[in-house]
Amino acid sequence: EPEVTQTPSHQVTQMGQEVILRCVPISNHLYFYWYRQILGQKVEFLVSFYNNEISEKSEIFDDQFSVERPDGSNFTLKIRSTKLEDSAMYFCASSVFENTEAFFGQGTRLTVV
Amino acid sequence: KQEVTQIPAALSVPEGENLVLNCSFTDSAIYNLQWFRQDPGKGLTSLLLIQSSQREQTSGRLNASLDKSSGRSTLYIAASQPGDSATYLCAVGYSTLTFGKGTMLLVSP
Repeated sequence: EPEVTQTPSHQVTQMGQEVILRCVPISNHLYFYWYRQILGQKVEFLVSFYNNEISEKSEIFDDQFSVERPDGSNFTLKIRSTKLEDSAMYFCASSVFENTEAFFGQGTRLTVV
Repeated sequence: KQEVTQIPAALSVPEGENLVLNCSFTDSAIYNLQWFRQDPGKGLTSLLLIQSSQREQTSGRLNASLDKSSGRSTLYIAASQPGDSATYLCAVGYSTLTFGKGTMLLVSP
C-alpha cells in the first residue's frame, strides 16, 4: 500500500543550525503539507504546497521556514536557524486533491539542544 | 477561527465493550472531517473521512457520524480490542486540517 515516507525519523541539532526534513509523498498525490506536534499539544498546520508553490501557510510558518520540491518525488521542509521551541514532531502529509483524504507520514522528531 | 474539542481526553474500557468518542467543532461550515489514530511516538493513520455531503462512514468495526448543524462528530468502535489502544484524533477542514487534542483510549484484556 502506498505510503508517505519521512527521513530521518529523529534528528538532534544545535540551536542556530539549519535542518532539512525530507518527505516522499504518495506518487499520484498533488497536494503536500507539513504539520507539527509539540509534545503534549495538538497537531498544527504549517504549510500546504501545490503546483510547485505554497498555497497556504499558518502564522507559525515564518521566514525561518521554507519548503521545496527539488525533484519529482521529494518534498522538503527547511528550518534556517533552529530555536529550542522548534523541537517537535514534524509530519508530512499528501492528498490527491485538496479536499480528499490526507495521508500522513511517520514523522521526524526534531530535538533542538 | 475553527476550534476542535474532543471529549473525553482519556478513556479506559475492558475488552469487548462498544465505545463512543466525541468531537465538536465551532465552525459548522466545514468540508471534511477526518478521524485518525496515533500510536505513542508514531505518525497519524487515517481511519475515516466524512465529506460534508455525507452523514456517516463505516470501516470494519468503526463507524463515524457527522452532524454539521450541531457541530459534532462521533466515532463508534464496536467490540473493542487491546490493539485499539491508541490516541484518536479528529480533524476538520477543506484542504488544511484543524485538529483536536485527541482521546487517549486504553482497552484492557
